[in-house]
Amino acid sequence: EVQLVESGGGLVQPGGSLRLSCAASGFTFSSYWMSWVRQAPGKGLEWVANIKQDGSEKYYVDSVKGRFTISRDNAKNSLYLQMNSLRAEDTAVYYCARDGHYGIFDYWGQGTLVTVSS
Amino acid sequence: EIVLTQSPATLSLSPGERATLSCRASQSVSSYLAWYQQKPGQAPRLLIYDASNRATGIPARFSGSGSGTDFTLTISSLEPEDFAVYYCQQRSNWPPVFTFGPGTKVDIK
Repeated sequence: EVQLVESGGGLVQPGGSLRLSCAASGFTFSSYWMSWVRQAPGKGLEWVANIKQDGSEKYYVDSVKGRFTISRDNAKNSLYLQMNSLRAEDTAVYYCARDGHYGIFDYWGQGTLVTVSS
Repeated sequence: EIVLTQSPATLSLSPGERATLSCRASQSVSSYLAWYQQKPGQAPRLLIYDASNRATGIPARFSGSGSGTDFTLTISSLEPEDFAVYYCQQRSNWPPVFTFGPGTKVDIK
């Protein structure tokens, strides 16, 4: 059974940093692109970033470029999102999602809430 | 950037009725459009990919159609568990940067 379990969310002040993790199991993690998708409270879904199987390619939505860094550790079956210079508008539930085939998000984690507030 | 719009924003229907949801892209996405269902407090679930292909385990009452800029998700006969928010998502362009529509809420009339 495919499982994605996010962790690392919490309350952080504006300008602060946070690192999210996603532990994957039930599939060959190193064979898939992976993405982070977020959802602000009461709002829709926003794709944030993705990373190729070997970590050699990474892409970001414009609003997080230069502040967020996606990475992975295939030996640990884990995906990460380092978030720096956080803003109030980054407040959201962050989901880890498996990219089944070029942008088809076929499995999702349960999400972890990030709240940016003073 | 490709922008997706969804209509209507809210659809109020009764169980057993047919639901028709629309998604329009600002430029052609070929058939590279997916639909997701999200219930309160849950993660999204993939329903349809590449416009008309049902994902694994998705009931036959869900169907998708369209290509280019205009797409439709149809639920042939609403079950109580189908009342949720539905999002479309495009994956057509390179580099692989993806966008979602704003969603359509299907609620009980």
